Amino acid sequence: DGGITQSPKYLFRKEGQNVTLSCEQNLNHDAMYWYRQDPGQGLRLIYYSQIVNDFQKGDIAEGYSVSREKKESFPLTVTSAQKNPTAFYLCASSISAQANIQYFGAGTRLSVL
Amino acid sequence: QKEVEQDPGPLSVPEGAIVSLNCTYSNSAFQYFMWYRQYSRKGPELLMYTYSSGNKEDGRFTAQVDKSSKYISLFIRDSQPSDSATYLCAMPGTGNQFYFGTGTSLTVIP
Repeated sequence: DGGITQSPKYLFRKEGQNVTLSCEQNLNHDAMYWYRQDPGQGLRLIYYSQIVNDFQKGDIAEGYSVSREKKESFPLTVTSAQKNPTAFYLCASSISAQANIQYFGAGTRLSVL
Repeated sequence: QKEVEQDPGPLSVPEGAIVSLNCTYSNSAFQYFMWYRQYSRKGPELLMYTYSSGNKEDGRFTAQVDKSSKYISLFIRDSQPSDSATYLCAMPGTGNQFYFGTGTSLTVIP
């Protein structure tokens, strides 16, 4: 089945720790995105990547980092600089950066211990 | 002013009711309009996709776009408990920007 796989489903972060959220897609999509979802705030864009080895900051990039070494993979690291990391994180992809439809993974819920 | 506005609800209806979910937007350049359904603790799944003005029907779901009023709607006929979810409207802007509504929470009571 083609799709976007996010792991883990649940993640806990200790104070001062960096954690990495995985996102893998087998749709052969060029563009990939990371969103943060908080209650009542909708989806906010963290980072996006149009092609391999290229990525740009979104609206709330501070405290996060990404890499795009392979077309299929777009991991997100939540660094210790992100002081309020508790949220639902969603990875999405689209066939190209100009495409009008994004497809989403199942999400990772990150909580702080 | 936000690019996309959506009433968060919550909306609670009896099974079999017709549900109307709505979004307004501010940018008249938007051409494509999407509705996503998101079950609790899951990712959004694409439900309906429309271009420009008019109606699009898919089973019990109808998406309606009124570009003159900058208003889009999703109608659900014969609502079922399995329709209980949060519904997000979305519109692609220029470049890589996507605009999402905050979502409307719907509960269909058996």
